[in-house]
Amino acid sequence: DAGITQSPRHKVTETGTPVTLRCHQTENHRYMYWYRQDPGHGLRLIHYSYGVKDTDKGEVSDGYSVSRSKTEDFLLTLESATSSQTSVYFCATNGLAGGRTDTQYFGPGTRLTVL
Amino acid sequence: AQSVTQLDSQVPVFEEAPVELRCNYSSSVSVYLFWYVQYPNQGLQLLLKYLSGSTLVKGINGFEAEFNKSQTSFHLRKPSVHISDTAEYFCAVSVSNNQGGKLIFGQGTELSVKP
Repeated sequence: DAGITQSPRHKVTETGTPVTLRCHQTENHRYMYWYRQDPGHGLRLIHYSYGVKDTDKGEVSDGYSVSRSKTEDFLLTLESATSSQTSVYFCATNGLAGGRTDTQYFGPGTRLTVL
Repeated sequence: AQSVTQLDSQVPVFEEAPVELRCNYSSSVSVYLFWYVQYPNQGLQLLLKYLSGSTLVKGINGFEAEFNKSQTSFHLRKPSVHISDTAEYFCAVSVSNNQGGKLIFGQGTELSVKP
């Protein structure tokens, strides 16, 4: 499995504050993804990256921004956290050899609570 | 647009009984199909995947799934479950021409194995 770590693993914050979640991978995978997991919704894609400084929006990108300045790090920022962003956030990577869809490897998740 | 429907949100079953978790997808183009498992407080782990070839796919922990193109289904089966199979299971789809490798997940099925 890809070495994927997420930090912090748990965070409690207040409405209106900025929050940054970090995903770090050691497999040199090109593609990285941020998902949120909510009961009854499965996982929904927030943003993804297809290379350093190359990112694109996913299904639920409003209120979130991302940055990728190095292959190994993908940051998710909530500019001004709201209670609706209380969720579990997962990072994933994909080696995507030859342009074919391949297995996505998931990090352990970050549980974010916005009060 | 693609979508995934997992027909059962919860499946209770007794230990050593067979189980089937149902997944239907909607897509106008060829797809790749995946089943992931999530144990409590952990990230997602790949169980099995269908990219091409044989429609019967075998995965880890004794699980298998069958791709049925005419019925647009990819049901997951195990002939005899164990207590340790208690987890949430997610079906996911990716279109075959999707260079971003983005996955669309179903809502999840909670499998509860009782002694």
